[in-house]
Amino acid sequence: QSALTQPPSASGSPGQSVTISCTGTSSDVGGYNYVSWFQQHPGKAPKLIIYEVTTRPSGVPDRFSGSKSGNTASLTVSGLQAEDEADYYCCSYAGSSSYVFGTGTKVTVL
Amino acid sequence: EVHLVESGGTLVQPGGSLRLSCAASGFTFSSHSITWVRQAPGKGLEWVANIKQDENERYYVDSVKGRFTISRDNAKNSVYLQMNSLRAEDTAVYYCARDYFFYIDVWGKGTTVTVSS
Repeated sequence: QSALTQPPSASGSPGQSVTISCTGTSSDVGGYNYVSWFQQHPGKAPKLIIYEVTTRPSGVPDRFSGSKSGNTASLTVSGLQAEDEADYYCCSYAGSSSYVFGTGTKVTVL
Repeated sequence: EVHLVESGGTLVQPGGSLRLSCAASGFTFSSHSITWVRQAPGKGLEWVANIKQDENERYYVDSVKGRFTISRDNAKNSVYLQMNSLRAEDTAVYYCARDYFFYIDVWGKGTTVTVSS
């Protein structure tokens, strides 16, 4: 039940892209295609932006995309906008109805 | 619209107990597992506990096993988290969230628990 590893920070100018990695193990990220990503603005609840590795919920812009290779998942935010400045967390199903979250990445729009 | 509302968070002394509640609406409550997730001040998200639709299966993170108990009342569309032997490290915002078959989708706004003397 160790947290998934994410870089503490990432940044980009408006219009640019940023990619956030999320590294786990074969017991979580590598073992299931149930990686999700959440966006959290200060003082707010997390919001689901990607589930099942690559799927965007209705209403989430297609600027957000997800992928996975082995034990590492990634979130790419293309065409950065000011409102994308937030904390981002990955999450993986880890078996027996449990989940493990990533350490979180603060995205700054320069 | 799917809606989850937590309540019950407050200031409690170390060693004390607290019961959090989560009221759900806008979906077929009895068809979904429900999860509690917490976030300590300035820290990341931590999965705490999960309860299956029929309450027969409950799962906990190691750090709360034996101290926290998750339960539900499908007739009241509610989930509860009984927290005993509270420690300073349990201080956090506690969120309840809907488990949509291997991923968490909708979250409540959270309730704040502070463990301090």
